Parts: sequence; structure tokens; C-alpha cells
Amino acid sequence: GAVVSQHPSWVICKSGTSVKIECRSLDFQATTMFWYRQFPKQSLMLMATSNEGSKATYEQGVEKDKFLINHASLTLSTLTVTSAHPEDSSFYICSARANPDTQYFGPGTRLTVL
Amino acid sequence: GENVEQHPSTLSVQEGDSAVIKCTYSDSASNYFPWYKQELGKRPQLIIDIRSNVGEKKDQRIAVTLNKTAKHFSLHITETQPEDSAVYFCAASREVKLIFGQGTTLQVKP
Repeated sequence: GAVVSQHPSWVICKSGTSVKIECRSLDFQATTMFWYRQFPKQSLMLMATSNEGSKATYEQGVEKDKFLINHASLTLSTLTVTSAHPEDSSFYICSARANPDTQYFGPGTRLTVL
Repeated sequence: GENVEQHPSTLSVQEGDSAVIKCTYSDSASNYFPWYKQELGKRPQLIIDIRSNVGEKKDQRIAVTLNKTAKHFSLHITETQPEDSAVYFCAASREVKLIFGQGTTLQVKP
């Protein structure tokens, strides 16, 4: 149980384009999902908290207009990186919160912006 | 806000030895402390967690201890095996958000 999927697993795009990443909880409902960013050999940095049916809460320093988050259902949250630039290249990981406070992570999406 | 410090950053042990990773946290209201194992290019996997009303928890070769007064918690791995080699992250949480430590790269030499 507690499986989280993420799609795509990797994506390469040109600078200036937008990229959408999906995060799904497969066998449980998640009212709260989280989006993290991880640079090579570094820790997970929380970008935003995504709550079903409401606006996401962004961490300080994260541009909400650049990283659009939508949590339209109890099993799906999406992260859209708008007008991506090379500095946005990173490993993006989502997690979903199961009861009472355990988080299960998706497999991550490797984004490379050329 | 919460801040989590993790030590050491790298740890090399011989197969069969024990490994200990330590974390300290700053927010005394934090009440949930999970540990994750992450292999290269893969997702973090929850290996054990502890809540603030418990001082110690064990699961086979893995144990976690929590000292609320000192605001630190530790991961203990006994009888280490080469497949234990990975990056380990501690985290602390008060309500919903997890704040992660910097990570420890554990290498178990056969």
C-alpha cells in the first residue's frame, strides 16, 4: 500500500517552454501533497504544500507564478514549471501524506532545460 | 522555523559493523521524526519513524532513539550489509511539513 507515482520520470525541454509533472497517489486518498526539489548530492528542499481544492502554500523564495501547482482531486497534484530556464534543471519529487502524518514519495522527475 | 542538522555527512563502515547517524532539531514543538533511505536517482523510502511520545523504536536491524529534552534523535543500524549503502535523511515535523537534514552518505564496505 501507499504507492505514489509520478509522470514523466524524465523530461528534456527547450528554454522558455513549460513542463507539467503529475503526482498520483495510487491506493490512498491524499488531501495533502508536497513538492520538493533536489539538486545533486543535496537534501530535499520543500517547494510547496498542495491541498486538495485550495491554493498551494509556497515556501519562502519559491516563485508561485513560475511553479504552478494544482491539486484538483484527492489523488492527483500537478506541478507546472512555466517558462523553464536551465537553472530550473533539477530532480523534482512529490510526496503524498497518508494518515496520520507519514509521507510517501514519488519516484521523481528529472528535468533538464536546454 | 524548524532547522534540522544531521551528522556525519559521510560514514564508511565495514560490513557487519554498526552505523549511527545523529540529528538535532530546533523546534521543540516538533512531534514526528521519520528517517528515509535514498539510493542514487531513486525516491526516498521511509525506513523507520518515531513520534514524540516514544523514546525508542526498533525494527529488526534498525532502531531510532529520541531525546526530546536535548532535541536530538539518532538512527542506529546494526550488522550493516552492502545493500545498506545509500544516502540517509532525517526529518522533523510539527504539523504537516517535513524539514529534512542534509543527509548522510553511508558506505558499507564488504
